[in-house]
Parts: sequence; structure tokens; C-alpha cells
Amino acid sequence: TQLLEQSPQFLSIQEGENLTVYCNSSSVFSSLQWYRQEPGEGPVLLVTVVTGGEVKKLKRLTFQFGDARKDSSLHITAAQPGDTGLYLCAGAGGGTSYGKLTFGQGTILTVHP
Amino acid sequence: DTGVSQDPRHKITKRGQNVTFRCDPISEHNRLYWYRQTLGQGPEFLTYFQNEAQLEKSRLLSDRFSAERPKGSFSTLEIQRTEQGDSAMYLCASSYGGIGQTAFFGQGTRLTVV
Repeated sequence: TQLLEQSPQFLSIQEGENLTVYCNSSSVFSSLQWYRQEPGEGPVLLVTVVTGGEVKKLKRLTFQFGDARKDSSLHITAAQPGDTGLYLCAGAGGGTSYGKLTFGQGTILTVHP
Repeated sequence: DTGVSQDPRHKITKRGQNVTFRCDPISEHNRLYWYRQTLGQGPEFLTYFQNEAQLEKSRLLSDRFSAERPKGSFSTLEIQRTEQGDSAMYLCASSYGGIGQTAFFGQGTRLTVV
């Protein structure tokens, strides 16, 4: 059974601060996806990383996939109140289960003005 | 491309009743997934289809749960004899087949069993 440990579970910061969210596993994933979810809505994709060591940037968000494809991080620079939400990492399995996602517990981010 | 659509968005039902949810995936996607999410947790995998074939079911999917994708397009998830523990957000996602293909989620169906 693949497990993803996501930390921290809660993050409360002031506008303008930087933050990093971590996802760690003992399992290798064929790809890893980061989603953001608003209350009462489905997860919305932020990024997919596939290659070990890959780094992707999306404006103020930087995503990194570990060399061994077991861990990932999301770094937000100069957080804004609009970044508030639930951030989820999800790893995709290998073999015939390559589309099935294992999610972390999520990080609830609150950015105060 | 109108995205993944789920219906209804909210459902309140009495314990013991049956409920059915519908998911319409992105039209070109051959894979369709069902997940369940409880408050404060990440989504948990329930089952998935490739075209009309149900390829995998989680142990979370008790015999009260059944999912179908009869023509490889839309899918339904039925819960029989609902229990309070079934209260959750039920999420549907779809993707192309293949490694690295991204799953896109619908807005979910929020089920409340009273």
C-alpha cells in the first residue's frame, strides 16, 4: 500500500511570507500531482511532475519532484490571501494502476492580510 | 471541453435509503475514477474504469456500493442502504490512459445521511 505523508497539516502565515509544503513517501511514484481545493469544490490541478529532479514554476509557486520520485515539495513565495485553501499532493502508481492516485492528508493554508 | 460534471452537487438522504450519483467525464478521456473525501482528509480511491471495464475496486467499496460505466462514457455510483458513515464528498475524475496523464476532477457530490 502506497502512503503519502504531507506536512504541515496546518499553516497560518501573514501576507508576504514564504512557505513550503512537503510530501514524502517510501514508495516510488510514476508521477506526482499537486491540487488546490476550495471548500465544497473538487480539487483543481496545479501541476504534474513526472521526471525525478524535475522543477516546475507557476508564477509564485515552485514545485519539485525528488530525484528518486518518492517525495515532492511546493514552495510559495510572497504568499497572498488569495492563496488560502487546501493543498493536496497525489502520487500516481505504476504498472496498470498508473492513473490511480494516492493522496496526502492535505495542508490547510491560511494567509492573513 | 466542459470539464468533468457531477450530479447532484448535494444530496441529503435518510439512513437506509438508496442514492445514485452520476459523473460525466471529459469526452475524450477513457479512464474514470471515483474517490471519497471526508472532512479534513485527502480523497481516498474507490474504483476506476478504463472505457466500460471496471479494473480495480478498493476495499473501501463495500458490497453496498456499486459503480457502472455502461457505454464507456458517463458513470454512476450507487450506495444502497445508506449509513451515517457514508456521509462524505464523492469525487469523480477522468484522464487519458498512460503514465503521467493528469486526472481532472469534477466538483463533487456532497452526501449527507441523516
